[in-house]
Amino acid sequence: NAGVMQNPRHLVRRRGQEARLRCSPMKGHSHVYWYRQLPEEGLKFMVYLQKENIIDESGMPKERFSAEFPKEGPSILRIQQVVRGDSAAYFCASSPKDRGIYEQYFGPGTRLTVT
Amino acid sequence: GQSLEQPSEVTAVEGAIVQINCTYQTSGFYGLSWYQQHDGGAPTFLSYNGLDGLEETGRFSSFLSRSDSYGYLLLQELQMKDSASYFCAVRDYGQNFVFGPGTRLSVLP
Repeated sequence: NAGVMQNPRHLVRRRGQEARLRCSPMKGHSHVYWYRQLPEEGLKFMVYLQKENIIDESGMPKERFSAEFPKEGPSILRIQQVVRGDSAAYFCASSPKDRGIYEQYFGPGTRLTVT
Repeated sequence: GQSLEQPSEVTAVEGAIVQINCTYQTSGFYGLSWYQQHDGGAPTFLSYNGLDGLEETGRFSSFLSRSDSYGYLLLQELQMKDSASYFCAVRDYGQNFVFGPGTRLSVLP
């Protein structure tokens, strides 16, 4: 039973380029959460999605960031026109149903470096 | 708004017992969770307290007191592999997911 998968594991982008981060939840999980983590800091909630539906995007920056979880395929976190401040680890988590903060399963993360 | 506070660092020796505290300010929440994260790794779920009291899972226990706005994670029989960062987390009634800043535990031989 594969866990949460994220790709790429490492991503380097120049300022102004677009970054696309992918997350495949665990089999049977229909809820996906995205978090951002700066070095030596905690996780910051960004967005919570179900299939074809954004439940809560209160943690997403208003500009340049978007997320989707289509009916088929992985969840995508998209960052347009990246800036150096976007450099961070981005983690995706999934849960089988709305368990809130209880027992989310995390992927290995995508480490984004903006040069 | 809401916030969670944890000590930034804790150091203990192998075989010892260590307690990591988490205090919070929130208008209301569903429960308190704890996650472990090794350097360069992903957070992994450890424990959840939906009700006040103590939950025990092997060497790890977690406690919650809503009246005191306080919880803790207790690690017994410490092992070197327990060296990691530990985060408390809540989902409040406003449906916000909030993680604490994390406590870095160093286990010494």
